[in-house]
Amino acid sequence: QVHLVESGGGVVQPGRSLRLSCAAPGLSIRDYGVHWVRQAPGKGLEWVAVISHDGSNKYYADSVKGRFSSSRDNAKNTAYLQMNSLRTEDTAVYYCAKDLTGWDHDALNIWGQGTMVIVSS
Amino acid sequence: DIQLTQSPSFLSASVGDTVSITCRASQGIGSYLAWYQQKSGKAPNLLIYAASTLQRGVPSRFSGGGSGTGFTLIITSLQPEDSATYYCQHLNNYPFTFGGGTTVEIK
Repeated sequence: QVHLVESGGGVVQPGRSLRLSCAAPGLSIRDYGVHWVRQAPGKGLEWVAVISHDGSNKYYADSVKGRFSSSRDNAKNTAYLQMNSLRTEDTAVYYCAKDLTGWDHDALNIWGQGTMVIVSS
Repeated sequence: DIQLTQSPSFLSASVGDTVSITCRASQGIGSYLAWYQQKSGKAPNLLIYAASTLQRGVPSRFSGGGSGTGFTLIITSLQPEDSATYYCQHLNNYPFTFGGGTTVEIK
């Protein structure tokens, strides 16, 4: 079963930063957009961000705009989510997922297992 | 931003039943809609994209339909392993918001 692997989660104080990584062992993500989706405890899914296959286009949810930044290193087959000025409401499991064909209106067909981020003092 | 409203939020049905979940968009999104299944503690799994195209490997008892602002996910011959929460997501323009989810319980 091909999947992505997130890492970098943990417990962090409000106002601090964290960087999540999304690796893709067993598949190349260079031709695909990578999305970040989060899920607060007991809540539904929230789309957070996307970075295009070449990193030239990035979009964010209003809830994280100006605080989160996505990037990627295709040579390392890895995408990143830099999270700054973290708030308690950012506490969630963070998933990365690749899109189906690299097209702008693609669904997300391969997901990671998620990494937990807890923002607490 | 486009809002997606799913209904019902919870349903309980028996093995072999046919169930239907509705997703309504706050504005027209053509066929840019996907459905996901999420089992407890697991990542979501893509079921259907482009409103009605079944993802490879997904059982044919799952089907999707609709366009514009109204969409439906139908599960025929419900199986015990279908117990999960189902989400719709629009793919029309960013942000790609999700619906609130529908939890399906097997009686």
